[in-house]
Amino acid sequence: DAGVIQSPRHEVTEMGQEVTLRCKPISGHDYLFWYRQTMMRGLELLIYFNNNVPIDDSGMPEDRFSAKMPNASFSTLKIQPSEPRDSAVYFCASSQVDEQFFGPGTRLTVL
Amino acid sequence: SQQGEEDPQALSIQEGENATMNCSYKTSINNLQWYRQNSGRGLVHLILIRSNEREKHSGRLRVTLDTSKKSSSLLITASRAADTASYFCATDADSGAGSYQLTFGKGTKLSVIP
Repeated sequence: DAGVIQSPRHEVTEMGQEVTLRCKPISGHDYLFWYRQTMMRGLELLIYFNNNVPIDDSGMPEDRFSAKMPNASFSTLKIQPSEPRDSAVYFCASSQVDEQFFGPGTRLTVL
Repeated sequence: SQQGEEDPQALSIQEGENATMNCSYKTSINNLQWYRQNSGRGLVHLILIRSNEREKHSGRLRVTLDTSKKSSSLLITASRAADTASYFCATDADSGAGSYQLTFGKGTKLSVIP
């Protein structure tokens, strides 16, 4: 398996634009997690899915953030409209039980 | 607030020395995990220790868990320059729901000088 795949790896956009981050989990993993990592706040869980169903989205900072998982092999995290304070590295991770497997991350810069 | 807090925030040692990192947490847990992150990369799972275990080994890694003190330590023996990375502890809350949701600390940045 290729591991967790994220795209794009880097995204630079202007304030107010819509940003869509993509994730392909490891096949057979029932759980998918979206995290955000910044120097100030560390690694924060935004939302996670179990069998494509969102279970806990209490970490999503505001209504500008939304996440979907239309099938077992694909998830998106959308920010609309984006703001400079959204600049961070966004990680997707998947798991079957305890151990989580992380993707390489998407480095988002909002100007 | 973060469930896991690592200590120290940064650690610099010479190659060949041992490195010890500590983690404290606040609530009951099912298990505690340690992850490693190289600069610019995703986190990689190192080792998991369950709440009924006290010590676990994996290669040059040794993890201890003291549930009475709500703390864990990660020891890397005979460190190498390639061990330079940030190390995070992660805990899952003992909610009984089996959610597998983890809360990460802010990490210890380890530098191993050749």
